[in-house]
Amino acid sequence: AAGVIQSPRHLIKEKRETATLKCYPIPRHDTVYWYQQGPGQDPQFLISFYEKMQSDKGSIPDRFSAQQFSDYHSELNMSSLELGDSALYFCASGIGGLIYEQYFGPGTRLTVT
Amino acid sequence: QKEVEQDPGPLSVPEGAIVSLNCTYSNSAFQYFMWYRQYSRKGPELLMYTYSSGNKEDGRFTAQVDKSSKYISLFIRDSQPSDSATYLCAMSAAIYSGGGADGLTFGKGTHLIIQP
Repeated sequence: AAGVIQSPRHLIKEKRETATLKCYPIPRHDTVYWYQQGPGQDPQFLISFYEKMQSDKGSIPDRFSAQQFSDYHSELNMSSLELGDSALYFCASGIGGLIYEQYFGPGTRLTVT
Repeated sequence: QKEVEQDPGPLSVPEGAIVSLNCTYSNSAFQYFMWYRQYSRKGPELLMYTYSSGNKEDGRFTAQVDKSSKYISLFIRDSQPSDSATYLCAMSAAIYSGGGADGLTFGKGTHLIIQP
């Protein structure tokens, strides 16, 4: 079965640079969630989209922005990167905005040096 | 205090044993409860979700929710070495994204080791 695709899988950036993470949901899924997981930490919710509209906003820094496109893929844009942004970034997809059924991608490991 | 507390372990048990994993929470608004399994360097995999109090069974897995005690459990019967992973509980107050749910609230995860 098709799963959530995230690209790139690994990304190394320097402080103050910009990064763009991409998420391709499972076919026919219309909801996308972004999470940040620091080392040894639980995933922290950043932001979500349902039918191309922002639906919920969590602890996403102002330096980050995201959007969902007409084909339902989503991009997380991160600017002025800081060392503390180094983490695993997960995208999850779902149907109809249902919170309790989220399917996670493999994640993008971002390292900021 | 975190909204969701989960013992990080590690929890080590012999193959074939019954495993009990637990989470406690403080937010009485939580109504939807999920269990995810995460292998090293992989994304969380949804195992089960339940609504409100009660039990739900799926193969070797049973999820229990006791809202009066703010306590949820996942039981794994006939545990296998392939069950070795980190198990995360997750919760939500709302059913739909956009309902002020702020996504899922996760526990820190319990690292489970099944010894062959």
